[in-house]
Order: sequence, then structure tokens, then C-alpha cells
Amino acid sequence: DAMVIQNPRYQVTQFGKPVTLSCSQTLNHNVMYWYQQKSSQAPKLLFHYYDKDFNNEADTPDNFQSRRPNTSFCFLDIRSPGLGDAAMYLCATSRGLGWPSAGGSYEQYFGPGTRLTVT
Amino acid sequence: DQQVKQNSPSLSVQEGRISILNCDYTNSMFDYFLWYKKYPAEGPTFLISISSIKDKNEDGRFTVFLNKSAKHLSLHIVPSQPGDSAVYFCAANSGGSNYKLTFGKGTLLTVNP
Repeated sequence: DAMVIQNPRYQVTQFGKPVTLSCSQTLNHNVMYWYQQKSSQAPKLLFHYYDKDFNNEADTPDNFQSRRPNTSFCFLDIRSPGLGDAAMYLCATSRGLGWPSAGGSYEQYFGPGTRLTVT
Repeated sequence: DQQVKQNSPSLSVQEGRISILNCDYTNSMFDYFLWYKKYPAEGPTFLISISSIKDKNEDGRFTVFLNKSAKHLSLHIVPSQPGDSAVYFCAANSGGSNYKLTFGKGTLLTVNP
């Protein structure tokens, strides 16, 4: 089955210790996204890639970085995690290509998420 | 400033009855809307969508209604089943080459047997 996979599902890191979360997809989608979601909050977009074009949200802290080495993989690096970075991190993909009438899609497909705990 | 609002944090419904989940938006540039369902410890799953050229879209037990003048949409689930118990997120997009979704905070639906 085509899907979005996130590893690990649960990650515990120490305050200030760099951590990397990974996402892979078998959907061959052009766009990949990283969201942060805290309890009872809306998922908050951190950044997204259209192919190799990186798009950072204006309010995403510099502490968060991302890499997309190829179509299938995308990584989220947190350089110096703080206690406030404890959250669920969701990876998503979408086909892109504009309006549905033109063959595109705005539907995003999510992975199961990585629950990050900072001690 | 929340551009997509789901004002009911939770909703409880009896099995077999209708569930109505509501969503309001403030950004008049939004013209494509989606509903997602999320079970605990899983990522959100796409449910149904509607573009602004329509006022209704139906898929099985799920129907989404869009009232552009009121900047309001709703998701109807008929009949509701216990397996529908989940958090439902409303999301909006402004179309074109903008692929970002703006999400509401979600509504927890509980369907009681």
C-alpha cells in the first residue's frame, strides 16, 4: 500500500540535544510538509517542499531545519530542543500540480506522527 | 489570529442519529475546504472536500455543506456509528499554486452505542 511512514513513532531527547525525525513516502508526491501539533491545537505548518524548493513559514523558529535529499525522504532536524518543542510532529504529502480540474490535488496524506518528549 | 475556527471542542451523539460538525473561516481567499478525521496515535486521514464553486458534496454517509456568504461549512454524518468517534479537523486552502492547508483546532466526536 502506498503510504507515508514516520520514524521513530516515539522519540525522547534531552534538553539541547539535537534530534532528527524522518519521513518517507511511497506515493511519489511532489509536496512534503512538516507540522507541529500540540495537545488540543490545530496542526501548525513548519515548512514544506515542492520538489526541492523549500518554503519556510515566517514564524518557524530557526531551531527547526529540514532536508529533502530525494522525492521519497524528508527530515526534520531540531538543533537544540527546548521543553516547548515537545509535541507531535506530523509529516504529510500531497500531489500538488494545482487545481483538481487541472489534475492537481490539495489533499494531504499524513503519516502516523512522531511524539517528541524533551527531558 | 485563527483563520479557521471550530468553536465546539466536543460533540456527543447517539448511534444512528445525525452528527453535525461546524467550521467557520475568516479568510475570503479560501476556496477549497477539507475535512480530516483523526484517531488517537494516528495521523489525520482525509475524509471529504469541497471547492467554492459547489455548496454541497456527498460521499456515502458524509456530506459537506458550504455557505460562502456566511463563511461557514458543516460536515454531516448520517447515520453516526461508534467507529466515527474521533477528532474531526476542518482545513482550508486558497487554491492555485498555494498548497498549504490552514487547520482548525478540531472537534472531538463521540458516538454512543
